[in-house]
Amino acid sequence: GAVVSQHPSRVICKSGTSVKIECRSLDFQATTMFWYRQFPKQSLMLMATSNEGSKATYEQGVEKDKFLINHASLTLSTLTVTSAHPEDSSFYICSAINSGGLQETQYFGPGTRLLVL
Amino acid sequence: QQQVKQSPQSLIVQKGGISIINCAYENTAFDYFPWYQQFPGKGPALLIAIRPDVSEKKEGRFTISFNKSAKQFSLHIMDSQPGDSATYFCAASITGRRALTFGSGTRLQVQP
Repeated sequence: GAVVSQHPSRVICKSGTSVKIECRSLDFQATTMFWYRQFPKQSLMLMATSNEGSKATYEQGVEKDKFLINHASLTLSTLTVTSAHPEDSSFYICSAINSGGLQETQYFGPGTRLLVL
Repeated sequence: QQQVKQSPQSLIVQKGGISIINCAYENTAFDYFPWYQQFPGKGPALLIAIRPDVSEKKEGRFTISFNKSAKQFSLHIMDSQPGDSATYFCAASITGRRALTFGSGTRLQVQP
């Protein structure tokens, strides 16, 4: 149980285009999901907290107009990178917390590798 | 400001040996400390987690030692195996906020 999926797993796009990444909790409901970004050989940096039915909370330095987050259901959150540029190339990972769980365990998705040319 | 400091950056251990990774935190409000294992190109997977009310937790070959007064915690991997070769991250969070603050990671290589 506690599986989180992401789609797509890899995406290559041209500079200036927008890319949408989906994060789904497959076997549990998640009122809260998180989006992280990880550059090569670096740690995970929290970008934003996504709450079902409300606006996302962005970390300092993350442009909310560039990284659009939508959490329309208890099992789906999407991250849209708008007008992507080469510096946005990174590994994007989502995580989710089981709303019905007793612990704080975050279950991570497999990540999405974004390459902007 | 790096709130969770992790060391060493890399570690090489012989098969069957003990791998030890250390973390120190600054924010005394942290009350949940998980360790994650990440293989290249994959998302992190939870290994083991501890709360400040206990000083040690063991699950199989993995043990967390926690020192609240020193604000430090460590991961011990007993009988290390080549399959344990991965990057390990410590993390910390505050109950209620839930967002994880990660350490910088330790690349573990277990040699056969």
